Amino acid sequence: QSALTQPASVSGSPGQSITISCTGTSSDFGGLKYVSWYQQHPGKAPKLLIYEVNNRPSGVSSRFSGSKSGNTASLTISGLQAEDEADYYCSSYTISTTLVLFGGGTKLSVL
Amino acid sequence: QVQLVQSGAEVKKPGASVKVSCKGSGYSFTAYYINWVRQAPGQGLEWMGRINSNSGGTNYAQKFQGWVTMTRDTSISTAYMELSSLTSDDTAVYYCARGFASYGMDVWGQGTTVTVSS
Repeated sequence: QSALTQPASVSGSPGQSITISCTGTSSDFGGLKYVSWYQQHPGKAPKLLIYEVNNRPSGVSSRFSGSKSGNTASLTISGLQAEDEADYYCSSYTISTTLVLFGGGTKLSVL
Repeated sequence: QVQLVQSGAEVKKPGASVKVSCKGSGYSFTAYYINWVRQAPGQGLEWMGRINSNSGGTNYAQKFQGWVTMTRDTSISTAYMELSSLTSDDTAVYYCARGFASYGMDVWGQGTTVTVSS
């Protein structure tokens, strides 16, 4: 079965930039054209950060950006802040009857 | 403001069914899909399916086909998710989320905790 693979954890210091990857077979995921990214703080509902690979919804900080290359989509957070410490999930459209699949999630620690 | 408000926590016995509601406000309810996503304790997000709030058409994840039913009542701007034959593996927080652009989800409910225990 198709899967979206994310690193279990990443870390960075305040002010630095980090990148979280999301890898899946492009042909299974519609060319990875419909990747979204979400931020989730403990005990809270997820928040949409990026949609359609590299678009930010209104109100989302420009420190968050998305990109794609081959079978991998990426979320970059620049100018890390303490409040960025959270879990991050990618999701994508799939060509199967399960229209949407989430990655396993990445825990970001801001040291 | 745009929001989705879900029904309260539920405790169910194995084999029972649960029905969670999700009321939209601050926007045109029938213009957007409603997705349902669950999260087991300490685990990641799992997409269960979605309903077209206008037509009532549904798309279910393969895993849930046959035991989840998503419906809506446009007169009260409310979507429902019913899960049957519950087991302890269904203990989770269930979220509704408004569909946005292509397969994104931009507005989320507060979550409904469903606990399945004998």
